[in-house]
Amino acid sequence: QKEVEQNSGPLSVPEGAIASLNCTYSDRGSQSFFWYRQYSGKSPELIMSIYSNGDKEDGRFTAQLNKASQYVSLLIRDSQPSDSATYLCAVDSPFSGGYNKLIFGAGTRLAVHP
Amino acid sequence: DARVTQTPRHKVTEMGQEVTMRCQPILGHNTVFWYRQTMMQGLELLAYFRNRAPLDDSGMPKDRFSAEMPDATLATLKIQPSEPRDSAVYFCASGPGQGDGYTFGSGTRLTVV
Repeated sequence: QKEVEQNSGPLSVPEGAIASLNCTYSDRGSQSFFWYRQYSGKSPELIMSIYSNGDKEDGRFTAQLNKASQYVSLLIRDSQPSDSATYLCAVDSPFSGGYNKLIFGAGTRLAVHP
Repeated sequence: DARVTQTPRHKVTEMGQEVTMRCQPILGHNTVFWYRQTMMQGLELLAYFRNRAPLDDSGMPKDRFSAEMPDATLATLKIQPSEPRDSAVYFCASGPGQGDGYTFGSGTRLTVV
């Protein structure tokens, strides 16, 4: 079982719709969760971080965390063609010595069509 | 804006040659990761440093890869000898500490022919 799992997509949504991206993780000790956006040929860019159960909103983006279900999601409201990218879920996974290491899912490719 | 600087941006080399990739983390960041990204494997963690000390390099092929952080402003990833299967984009990321977000560099696109 992979430590961080995402549906690879592509997820295709029409412009203006809500895009819903999901991620599950295996280590119950994980405390910090991140969403990165990666455009083709570019480096990953941090867009959201979430640390406690519930929702966290930032503009058109909402991150949701449910630690009991080991589930993280990202909602993009009013999707725009410029949101078309691969979205990577990352989890700070406990490691030896009290440190964490950042583990990524394979990413979900989002395509927003006009 | 503070940024993570990686050099070179692109590298084409012949099989068997040594390759060294460099990363300058954001000033004040004490955590540095090296990742490799391919279409098939996604982002794989190769090495991880905290306060310049290597914490984990279990993701690296030990016989040919090595990672070091000679000072707080420089992290290096070396491949010797390089093989075609090493062709990938290598990213460095740095962060201020545990639980905080991490910033990626622009990556080094390595092609081994």
